[in-house]
Amino acid sequence: GQQVMQIPQYQHVQEGEDFTTYCNSSTTLSNIQWYKQRPGGHPVFLIQLVKSGEVKKQKRLTFQFGEAKKNSSLHITATQTTDVGTYFCAGRSNDYKLSFGAGTTVTVRA
Amino acid sequence: NAGVTQTPKFRILKIGQSMTLQCAQDMNHNYMYWYRQDPGMGLKLIYYSVGAGITDKGEVPNGYNVSRSTTEDFPLRLELAAPSQTSVYFCASSLPGTGGRSPLHFGNGTRLTVT
Repeated sequence: GQQVMQIPQYQHVQEGEDFTTYCNSSTTLSNIQWYKQRPGGHPVFLIQLVKSGEVKKQKRLTFQFGEAKKNSSLHITATQTTDVGTYFCAGRSNDYKLSFGAGTTVTVRA
Repeated sequence: NAGVTQTPKFRILKIGQSMTLQCAQDMNHNYMYWYRQDPGMGLKLIYYSVGAGITDKGEVPNGYNVSRSTTEDFPLRLELAAPSQTSVYFCASSLPGTGGRSPLHFGNGTRLTVT
């Protein structure tokens, strides 16, 4: 079945630094979604990418969908303490089931 | 709108007991899902439903059952609880969307411990 791999599992970042988390699928995806889960909270939808090579930005967050639609990345610039949490990618290859990556848990050193 | 409401928030079960996790949404979403989240493992789909009266298995359905008698409610039943079912359970809902592209709206979760 479809598998979505996400790396790294943990990211410890100095406040103000940049980092990237990567998502790779074993199959071609129709779309990919990114979610953020704050500690003790529930996943919250951030963004969806649909087109090959698509790039979307949300303030300091940049999301990219690979040309082959099998990988994606999330890049955060100038990390802040509010960026703490776990970031999940979720790929969809059929109409109703998302396959979630294991997540990247981000901690920030002030 | 309350969104997706899950009850209870916490529960401790003894091995072999049964319980139902409740989930309700007031957004008139057709699709509803149950996920479990274990540390470092992401979210695994247990069951899903594309509308009232229709349910299907996800990746990890063993030990669980669901029903969908109304659009709003999607309860998850645990029969004969086992320690392996200790987890955080999230219910989610979505619209069908074009090509299944609607985002998932999650409830606050139920933290279940089986001892």
